[in-house]
Amino acid sequence: AQTVTQSQPEMSVQEAETVTLSCTYDTSESDYYLFWYKQPPSRQMILVIRQEAYKQQNATENRFSVNFQKAAKSFSLKISDSQLGDAAMYFCAYRTSQRSGNTPLVFGKGTRLSVIA
Amino acid sequence: AAGVIQSPRHLIKEKRETATLKCYPIPRHDTVYWYQQGPGQDPQFLISFYEKMQSDKGSIPDRFSAQQFSDYHSELNMSSLELGDSALYFCASSYGQPPYGYTFGSGTRLTVV
Repeated sequence: AQTVTQSQPEMSVQEAETVTLSCTYDTSESDYYLFWYKQPPSRQMILVIRQEAYKQQNATENRFSVNFQKAAKSFSLKISDSQLGDAAMYFCAYRTSQRSGNTPLVFGKGTRLSVIA
Repeated sequence: AAGVIQSPRHLIKEKRETATLKCYPIPRHDTVYWYQQGPGQDPQFLISFYEKMQSDKGSIPDRFSAQQFSDYHSELNMSSLELGDSALYFCASSYGQPPYGYTFGSGTRLTVV
């Protein structure tokens, strides 16, 4: 079974600075998808960024980018120019692509990010 | 754009009672997932349905059951409620084989007293 590990329960960053959240995963599969979700105090799960394992290029969405190291099974999230609205719980998630149809997400334990004004 | 609709938003039940949570997926999405998120916890997968058939099963207690109806909406039925069932219950839906993750509903907060 796949597992996702987020080793930083809490992180903090100064407003306008850059922060990197870590995520590692364990899988024997070669093709899969990785995601970062944001959960603000409203508890809504919001997709931040996604990465297909077969793509070598790191995904980027505005101020959010990932460092995907497939051999190391590492998938870190970098938030640039941090804003107060970035404060939230961030979950790293894995999804297999080995089967037709849709498969559930496997989540890490989350990292709580605080942004200091 | 239409989103995943969950009802009710909040629910308070007493121990040993029964609760039914509803999920209305995005139109044309063919798969529905249910997740349970306890306080301070990560979401745990319960069960999913693909084209109205059970697809995957996670850590769903035997006291819980779920189904997907002909209009693709899904219901999670929870019986003999326990204090430990208090959690946020998410529904998510997806279509085909997106590499784009899922769309989550806003969740139903269940409190068992």
